[in-house]
Amino acid sequence: AQSVTQLDSQVPVFEEAPVELRCNYSSSVSVYLFWYVQYPNQGLQLLLKYLSGSTLVKGINGFEAEFNKSQTSFHLRKPSVHISDTAEYFCAVRDSGAGSYQLTFGKGTKLSVIP
Amino acid sequence: ETGVTQTPRHLVMGMTNKKSLKCEQHLGHNAMYWYKQSAKKPLELMFVYSLEERVENNSVPSRFSPECPNSSHLFLHLHTLQPEDSALYLCASSQDLGVGDEQFFGPGTRLTVL
Repeated sequence: AQSVTQLDSQVPVFEEAPVELRCNYSSSVSVYLFWYVQYPNQGLQLLLKYLSGSTLVKGINGFEAEFNKSQTSFHLRKPSVHISDTAEYFCAVRDSGAGSYQLTFGKGTKLSVIP
Repeated sequence: ETGVTQTPRHLVMGMTNKKSLKCEQHLGHNAMYWYKQSAKKPLELMFVYSLEERVENNSVPSRFSPECPNSSHLFLHLHTLQPEDSALYLCASSQDLGVGDEQFFGPGTRLTVL
């Protein structure tokens, strides 16, 4: 079974500074990778996804992530954060096998943007 | 209403109560999901329905009973719950079960079991 590790449970960062949220997954032949964001009192919203092709994936709100197969990582980055980016971010992985419906989530990283 | 809605948003119940959580999606999707989000634990998939048929049940205790009467509605019936069942219950839907089919989440029901 897949597992996802988000090493940082909380990341404080000053406004307009860059941020990287780390995600590692257990190895598999082929996986699909996702980042979700959860604002307070809301459900999860898809930020970006990697299915195939270019390893650099651009998402909404200026976020991007890079798939690194050799390091089994899918770190999320933003060059300049805003106060409105304060939220919890979840990395998720899905096996590419037929009949595999399950998204395996990490425990989440709380991003706090400091004015 | 747009997207995925869930009612109630908050629920407090005793261990002997019976209650139901409701989810409705207004997106014309064919697949619906129940997730449990507990503090300091990863999101856990509970149930998956496609075209009103259950396709996945991840070893969830029988005190949780899902129902999908049509592709727009999903219920989670609760009875004789335990305090450790207190969590945020999230409903999601997707067009189908394909890997490229984005899951759209509702805001969740915050459940507290006393």
